[in-house]
Amino acid sequence: AQKITQTQPGMFVQEKEAVTLDCTYDTSDPSYGLFWYKQPSSGEMIFLIYQGSYDQQNATEGRYSLNFQKARKSANLVISASQLGDSAMYFCAMREGRGFQKLVFGTGTRLLVSP
Amino acid sequence: GAGVSQSPRYKVAKRGQDVALRCDPISGHVSLFWYQQALGQGPEFLTYFQNEAQLDKSGLPSDRFFAERPEGSVSTLKIQRTQQEDSAVYLCASSQAQTGEQYFGPGTRLTVT
Repeated sequence: AQKITQTQPGMFVQEKEAVTLDCTYDTSDPSYGLFWYKQPSSGEMIFLIYQGSYDQQNATEGRYSLNFQKARKSANLVISASQLGDSAMYFCAMREGRGFQKLVFGTGTRLLVSP
Repeated sequence: GAGVSQSPRYKVAKRGQDVALRCDPISGHVSLFWYQQALGQGPEFLTYFQNEAQLDKSGLPSDRFFAERPEGSVSTLKIQRTQQEDSAVYLCASSQAQTGEQYFGPGTRLTVT
């Protein structure tokens, strides 16, 4: 079973609009972390936002917020006021358990912001 | 400040050649990860180091893949007798601790012809 599912291969949004990128996850471990990374065409993975499984509030970082719905096992990324520079691939990732923790990534969503 | 650096950025190898990919983590970062990213896919875990100790190599696809971090800083991923299916971007990431946020390098794009 896929641990991280991103069902949107591509998304389009107009500049200054908000956009939601979907992510669902699968784990039986009560302790886990959820991440979103941005990968522009240059290839580098840029950390955007983190949500811990025990965090009571949704994470926010500037224009990025994470809509964490634990019962539904979803961790959607919301980008407010999209900018042209937001055009990139976006990956959702999960880290399970404690101690050493590799990241498990989804297949990504390509976001295109139009003027 | 200096982030994670990787070299070379691009590598073209003929099938059967050996390649070595280098990763310079952020200074002081204890943990180092290697990931492989095939075209159109998310990164997949290859191996993990804590200082010089390789604690997990469960993601290495075959015994042609070998990684080392002898002094607990720079790491090298070596692929022997490269095959076409090895073509991918190889990403290195480092973090301050086991559970810290992972900072990624720009990757090495390997093309095997």
